[in-house]
Amino acid sequence: AQSVTQPDIHITVSEGASLELRCNYSYGATPYLFWYVQSPGQGLQLLLKYFSGDTLVQGIKGFEAEFKRSQSSFNLRKPSVHWSDAAEYFCAVGGNTGGFKTIFGAGTRLFVKA
Amino acid sequence: SQTIHQWPATLVQPVGSPLSLECTVEGTSNPNLYWYRQAAGRGLQLLFYSVGIGQISSEVPQNLSASRPQDRQFILSSKKLLLSDSGFYLCAWSELAGIDTQYFGPGTRLTVL
Repeated sequence: AQSVTQPDIHITVSEGASLELRCNYSYGATPYLFWYVQSPGQGLQLLLKYFSGDTLVQGIKGFEAEFKRSQSSFNLRKPSVHWSDAAEYFCAVGGNTGGFKTIFGAGTRLFVKA
Repeated sequence: SQTIHQWPATLVQPVGSPLSLECTVEGTSNPNLYWYRQAAGRGLQLLFYSVGIGQISSEVPQNLSASRPQDRQFILSSKKLLLSDSGFYLCAWSELAGIDTQYFGPGTRLTVL
């Protein structure tokens, strides 16, 4: 069965510090992986996605993610966090099987302290 | 460019009242359309998705229903709201199902009292 696990419900980092949000997935075929961000009271916006090729993917707002097939992980990183990065982050997996559905993780809430 | 609209932005309804939330997409044809619910502090729950006019797939049993009367219009309805229907409702579209980016609307905050 398809599933996405984001083990951290919330994370607090200091402004300027580095960030890593964890994501593990379970998928029976080639996964299509996504990271979305949601500011309070708004819809989700795509940060980046991975389909194939280079396993290190660059996204908007200075974010990057690395696909590690052996670990079934797709962790999101940013070298220096800004206060405006405070939001909720969702990892998602989709593909050509399982009814062509995209499965979202439960999300990780990021707090940034000054 | 493509845009997605949802209305209303907020809604407060009494238990037992009907519901109609509307979502429209502009700038694309034959999109895949989705309704999600997001309860406080929780992730996204897929409620319905549609691959074409009149084609609706339901993901969870509930007192909600969805319709797609036009290619780019997706409506979420209920005949009688329950307290548990409170939440943040998001509409989204994609060109391809499963493998494509989903583009989300601004959402509707529904409070059932």
